[in-house]
Amino acid sequence: EDKVVQSPLSLVVHEGDTVTLNCSYEVTNFRSLLWYKQEKKAPTFLFMLTSSGIEKKSGRLSSILDKKELFSILNITATQTGDSAVYLCAVEARDKIIFGKGTRLHILP
Amino acid sequence: KAGVTQTPRYLIKTRGQQVTLSCSPISGHRSVSWYQQTPGQGLQFLFEYFSETQRNKGNFPGRFSGRQFSNSRSEMNVSTLELGDSALYLCASSLQGLGETQYFGPGTRLLVL
Repeated sequence: EDKVVQSPLSLVVHEGDTVTLNCSYEVTNFRSLLWYKQEKKAPTFLFMLTSSGIEKKSGRLSSILDKKELFSILNITATQTGDSAVYLCAVEARDKIIFGKGTRLHILP
Repeated sequence: KAGVTQTPRYLIKTRGQQVTLSCSPISGHRSVSWYQQTPGQGLQFLFEYFSETQRNKGNFPGRFSGRQFSNSRSEMNVSTLELGDSALYLCASSLQGLGETQYFGPGTRLLVL
């Protein structure tokens, strides 16, 4: 059965810390891995990864995919209170998209 | 450019009733996908519509159905509501399909009593 597992489920850190969020997957017909940030209602897109070893970067956020070991990480450096959210990992397969349960990140001021 | 809109935003129904939710995609987007989000199961894919055809489907019972109109607007219908259908229902749109950035709407929160 296809699955996407995120860890940790929740994380509390202080402003300025660096965090690493993990996403592992077992999905047939893998096409891409996506990261989303969900604050209140609608998830907002962060990254799409299709190739191993190529880091995608946007400001303080970066992500990388390892298709051999079937996982991805999302790094956030110099965290700010505005980074508090649920971070969702999703894997797109040939005919569906599977989401992990998310990592709830809380940044303390 | 206007974002994805969903109506209604909140809905209360009783068991056994049916409900129809609406989603208007971003202009020019032809793919609309639907998701159910609950605290226990997280975000789960329901189905995707493209050019008025259901192209992909998740593992939900037949009580969950949808359709897409020629202007790409989509509706989702849930018949014979159960308590477990209480959830946030999100739709997302993209230009061509699941393999692209999905732009999510604000969701419809459904409560089944």
